[in-house]
Amino acid sequence: RKEVEQDPGPFNVPEGATVAFNCTYSNSASQSFFWYRQDCRKEPKLLMSVYSSGNEDGRFTAQLNRASQYISLLIRDSKLSDSATYLCVVRASGYSTLTFGKGTMLLVSP
Amino acid sequence: DVKVTQSSRYLVKRTGEKVFLECVQDMDHENMFWYRQDPGLGLRLIYFSYDVKMKEKGDIPEGYSVSREKKERFSLILESASTNQTSMYLCASSLPQGSLGTGELFFGEGSRLTVL
Repeated sequence: RKEVEQDPGPFNVPEGATVAFNCTYSNSASQSFFWYRQDCRKEPKLLMSVYSSGNEDGRFTAQLNRASQYISLLIRDSKLSDSATYLCVVRASGYSTLTFGKGTMLLVSP
Repeated sequence: DVKVTQSSRYLVKRTGEKVFLECVQDMDHENMFWYRQDPGLGLRLIYFSYDVKMKEKGDIPEGYSVSREKKERFSLILESASTNQTSMYLCASSLPQGSLGTGELFFGEGSRLTVL
């Protein structure tokens, strides 16, 4: 089983739509969770951390379900500028390295 | 803002050549990392370093070595480049996880290496 799994997409949505991505992780001891965003031909950048209680940053909401070992990202009112690949990232307890999922591509169209 | 600078954006080398990829960060980060990114395979960790002169193997270290002589600089070396090392190489730095920071990775813009 792969350590961090994501649906590669692409998810094609119109502007204004709500879209959700899920990610599953295999290591039950994982402690830290993140979503990174990578624009085409650019480097990944941190979008948001994912906390146990769930957290929101503007139009973006991240949630963690430890029992089922999955993380979700919800984007409301999608903008053209949201078009990117979204990387689910996990860190196991006691290690400093991150494990990246392969990413989910989002395409927002006018 | 954190700045991670990779010396070359695009390189073309021949099989068997020695290749140096340089990375410099200006935020006094302890941790530095080298990843490669390939379509369908995502980001894979090659080597990382927690401190000067320290290095640890990542998931795919074969065919690579690294050097960290100064805190701000982390070099990736391909001793004898092969065609299967054609890839996008991404350097990153971070503070250690814990009281000093979340361990967020700051990436350079990447170096696209083509080995012919």
